[in-house]
Amino acid sequence: DQQVKQNSPSLSVQEGRISILNCDYTNSMFDYFLWYKKYPAEGPTFLISISSIKDKNEDGRFTVFLNKSAKHLSLHIVPSQPGDSAVYFCAASLFGGSWGKLQFGAGTQVVVTP
Amino acid sequence: GAVVSQHPSWVICKSGTSVKIECRSLDFQATTMFWYRQFPKQSLMLMATSNEGSKATYEQGVEKDKFLINHASLTLSTLTVTSAHPEDSSFYICSARTRSSGANVLTFGAGSRLTVL
Repeated sequence: DQQVKQNSPSLSVQEGRISILNCDYTNSMFDYFLWYKKYPAEGPTFLISISSIKDKNEDGRFTVFLNKSAKHLSLHIVPSQPGDSAVYFCAASLFGGSWGKLQFGAGTQVVVTP
Repeated sequence: GAVVSQHPSWVICKSGTSVKIECRSLDFQATTMFWYRQFPKQSLMLMATSNEGSKATYEQGVEKDKFLINHASLTLSTLTVTSAHPEDSSFYICSARTRSSGANVLTFGAGSRLTVL
C-alpha cells in the first residue's frame, strides 16, 4: 500500500523555466515531508523539507508547498538549470522525522533541456 | 560531508545462493541504518531498521529469515539475501543516520542492483 505517490514519472522542462513536481500522500498522520534528488549511480541526497505546521518553505531556487487538506505537496524549481536533471523523490515521515523512517514516492525523472 | 559506501553496486547470482550487501558509513558513526528495496517504477520501500548492537526491526511483509541484517559496528551494516530467487531481483539501498539527527540528515548509499538468475 503506497502511502506516498508521485504520479508523474517524468517531466521535461526548458532551461530557465519553472519545474513543478507533485506528490500526494494518504496518511494524515505524516507531519514531516522531504524532497530528495538522485543522480545516476549515486544515492539520493537531501534537497529540502517542510514541517506540517508550515505551508511553504523556500531555499534558494527550491520551494516546497504543502496543502494538508488536500494531502498534497509540490516542489518548485525556479529557474531550472541543466544540472537539475535528476530523479526527485518525495518522502514523508511521522514524529517530525526524528525516527528517520521515511515513506518514499516512486520518483519523477526531470530533464532540463538547454 | 557524510558518506555512505555500499558494496557491491551490482551483483548477479544463481538461484538458491546467498548474497551479502555491505553498507559502511565512512566518516561518521551510524547508530541507525535503514534498508530499502526498489522494484522498477516503484517507490523505495523500507525493509528494515537496524540499530547498532541490536536486532533489526523488519517492516510488515518482509521475511526476516530471508533478509538477514547485521549491524555489528557503528560503521557497518550488512544485508544478506539468503537462498535468493528471481523474485528477489531488485535494487537495494541503505541509508544511515546519527543518534541525534533528524530525517533530513539521512545519508544514502548508491545502492546495489541484485539480479538472480
